[in-house]
Amino acid sequence: AQTVTQSQPEMSVQEAETVTLSCTYDTSESDYYLFWYKQPPSRQMILVIRQEAYKQQNATENRFSVNFQKAAKSFSLKISDSQLGDAAMYFCAYRSGSGTYKYIFGTGTRLKVLA
Amino acid sequence: EAQVTQNPRYLITVTGKKLTVTCSQNMNHEYMSWYRQDPGLGLRQIYYSMNVEVTDKGDVPEGYKVSRKEKRNFPLILESPSPNQTSLYFCASSFSRYNVAFFGQGTRLTVV
Repeated sequence: AQTVTQSQPEMSVQEAETVTLSCTYDTSESDYYLFWYKQPPSRQMILVIRQEAYKQQNATENRFSVNFQKAAKSFSLKISDSQLGDAAMYFCAYRSGSGTYKYIFGTGTRLKVLA
Repeated sequence: EAQVTQNPRYLITVTGKKLTVTCSQNMNHEYMSWYRQDPGLGLRQIYYSMNVEVTDKGDVPEGYKVSRKEKRNFPLILESPSPNQTSLYFCASSFSRYNVAFFGQGTRLTVV
């Protein structure tokens, strides 16, 4: 069975600084997708970034980028130039690329941004 | 506006009283799923559906039922709710297995 582990329950970052959130996963599948979702106090789940396992290039979306290490089964999220609006719970998620629609989420990392 | 709509947003009910949480999407998405979110546990998938009349269990299906009679709707049914089903519930949908999932606003359920 697949698992997703976020070992940092809480992180803090100074405004305008850079922070990295960790995520590791375990799977025997070769085809899968990885995601980072943001959940602000409004509870809405917002996609931050996604990575296809077959792509070697790390995904980037503006200030957000990932470090995808397939062999190490690691998928960390880097937030550059942190802003107060980045404060939220961040979830790492795995989705199987096989014939199912199974999603596995990590337990989340709460990010605090200090002014 | 493209969206996933859940109702109700908040619900307090008593043990054993059957309830249904509705989920509707207006994006013609094939895939839909239900999750529950609990502190320290993240989101856990309850059930998912890959098409009309096709549903399958996620990681925590016990105590829940779903149906997919129409493409746009995917209700979550609790036949006999218990206090351990007190949680925040999310419905999500996507066009295909390869596309990003869109989430509803969440339903806060309390069973007393």
